[in-house]
Amino acid sequence: QSALTQPASVSGSPGQTITISCTGTSSDVGTYNYVSWSQQHPGRAPKLILYEVYNRPSGVSSRFSGSRSGNTASLTISGLQAEDEALYFCTSYTGSSPDVLFGGGTKLTVL
Amino acid sequence: QVHLQESGPGLVKPSQTLSLTCSVSGDSIGSGNHYWDWIRQPAGRELQWIGRVYSSGTTNYNPSLKSRVHISVDTSKNQFSLNLRSVTAADTAVYFCAREKSPGPTATFDYWGQGALVTVSS
Repeated sequence: QSALTQPASVSGSPGQTITISCTGTSSDVGTYNYVSWSQQHPGRAPKLILYEVYNRPSGVSSRFSGSRSGNTASLTISGLQAEDEALYFCTSYTGSSPDVLFGGGTKLTVL
Repeated sequence: QVHLQESGPGLVKPSQTLSLTCSVSGDSIGSGNHYWDWIRQPAGRELQWIGRVYSSGTTNYNPSLKSRVHISVDTSKNQFSLNLRSVTAADTAVYFCAREKSPGPTATFDYWGQGALVTVSS
């Protein structure tokens, strides 16, 4: 199985809104609600920021939101802040073996 | 607060076995509420799921690694471990342990360790 497809990098200025896409297939992103997004700062453990497409864990800012259209899931970050600069990756359940797929990761730069 | 910490040698010789342990605090592996996973990331490449273990010792592995991988659990120590046999340079990566959000398996990881860099080199 191929990894989920994400843009390698995106950028935005403080206060702006950016969107990161995660494209899979009808065998993963397009079928299962177990699509999640994580944030990783250099040298730190990844942090779950969205699960089941659009749900936020407790303590995660409402500036992070998720959606899905067909085989593509999206992470939107509004009101960009300097602290949002990090690597973001998506994950999906696949229902077959291996049942976990990751995206290649997107480096967000806050200009 | 749940905390996971990987430990083990940072350098392994080719053809030998890579062994890592993940120590868990703030949650009980033996409670059976979650699956516990190993994930790796070679430099410059995407994350790769290695496998998972349940408190009972039941495991699932990535087919691409299944012939070389063994994941085990020690509920008395609240730890789970990864053994990867016959390693080559292609196994050089940062290895993460993670908790899978319940009810699982869900491929949703709500807590991760910081990662352990393992280099395969003679």
